[in-house]
Amino acid sequence: AQKITQTQPGMFVQEKEAVTLDCTYDTSDPSYGLFWYKQPSSGEMIFLIYQGSYDQQNATEGRYSLNFQKARKSANLVISASQLGDSAMYFCAMREPPWRGSTLGRLYFGRGTQLTVWP
Amino acid sequence: NAGVTQTPKFQVLKTGQSMTLQCAQDMNHNSMYWYRQDPGMGLRLIYYSASEGTTDKGEVPNGYNVSRLNKREFSLRLESAAPSQTSVYFCASSDGTLKRSGNTIYFGEGSWLTVV
Repeated sequence: AQKITQTQPGMFVQEKEAVTLDCTYDTSDPSYGLFWYKQPSSGEMIFLIYQGSYDQQNATEGRYSLNFQKARKSANLVISASQLGDSAMYFCAMREPPWRGSTLGRLYFGRGTQLTVWP
Repeated sequence: NAGVTQTPKFQVLKTGQSMTLQCAQDMNHNSMYWYRQDPGMGLRLIYYSASEGTTDKGEVPNGYNVSRLNKREFSLRLESAAPSQTSVYFCASSDGTLKRSGNTIYFGEGSWLTVV
């Protein structure tokens, strides 16, 4: 079963409008972290925002906010006031806590959503 | 501000050739990872290293080997390249813990590998 599901292969939004990119996750651990990354056409992975499972408030970073609905296991990314430079692939990722015998938690990625911002 | 540096950025290999992708980080991170990215598949974990001297398999380890040479460096080796290994490879690092205050996994710029 997929740990991270991004159901929108592509999204289009007009400049200056807000857009929501969907992400649902699957885990039985009470402790986990959720990430969003941006990948522009140049290829690098850019960290955008992080939400911990115990965080009471939704994470915000400038124009990015994470709509965290724990009961629904969803972690949607909201980009306000879209800009042409926001056109990129966006990945949702989840990190589970370390398991017995290891200090490292695995990071699982969704398949991504290609966002296109038009003037 | 080097962060995570991986080389080479581009490589073309013939089937059966071997090569090593190099990765180094200057953030004193304990954990390092190698991912591959294929169209429509997102990133998939090949191998990871929780700390110097330890390595473990990820989701797609077949056909690869890794070495955690020291805390800074984590290399990925293809012993006998196959066309199915044509992909974009990303090295990443983090401090290896899941904190309530959040932590970040940093990625290199990617290495484009084509096996013909």
